[in-house]
Amino acid sequence: DGGITQSPKYLFRKEGQNVTLSCEQNLNHDAMYWYRQDPGQGLRLIYYSQIVNDFQKGDIAEGYSVSREKKESFPLTVTSAQKNPTAFYLCASSTRLAESYEQYFGPGTRLTVT
Amino acid sequence: KQEVTQIPAALSVPEGENLVLNCSFTDSAIYNLQWFRQDPGKGLTSLLLIQSSQREQTSGRLNASLDKSSGRSTLYIAASQPGDSATYLCAGRMNRDDKIIFGKGTRLHILP
Repeated sequence: DGGITQSPKYLFRKEGQNVTLSCEQNLNHDAMYWYRQDPGQGLRLIYYSQIVNDFQKGDIAEGYSVSREKKESFPLTVTSAQKNPTAFYLCASSTRLAESYEQYFGPGTRLTVT
Repeated sequence: KQEVTQIPAALSVPEGENLVLNCSFTDSAIYNLQWFRQDPGKGLTSLLLIQSSQREQTSGRLNASLDKSSGRSTLYIAASQPGDSATYLCAGRMNRDDKIIFGKGTRLHILP
């Protein structure tokens, strides 16, 4: 089955530790995205990548880092510099098929930092 | 700067009714608009995507329309069912290589 996988589903970390969230897609999509979702705030874009070895900051990139070494993978690292990291993190990818740029989402990772 | 708004934030309707969810955007130069469904604690599921050159798209009991001149899109759900209960989000893309802007969603509850 084609799709986007995120692991783990739940993640717990102590304050001050860096943590990396995994995102893998087998849809052959060029573009990939990371969003953060908080209650009452909607989805906010952290980083996005339109091609391998290239990525751009979104609206709330501070305290986060990404890499795009392979087309299928776009891991997100939440660093200790992120002041309020507890949130639901969603990875997405989009296709250029028929110029639609339709966006597809993974199941999400809920990160809790204490 | 494009802004996407969804009103109301929450809606409850009896089962079987037809209903309309609203989405408005500030910049009419939109590339496409996408409607998503999100169940609690889950990712987003794409429902319908409307290109700027299209007026509407249909999938089963769902119909989405786009009116660029008025900056509005609607999602029509026919014969609502309890399984339709979820949060519905709309998102507008300005350019094909750009990010998309999300509304905050409408939380829909279908009463059995």
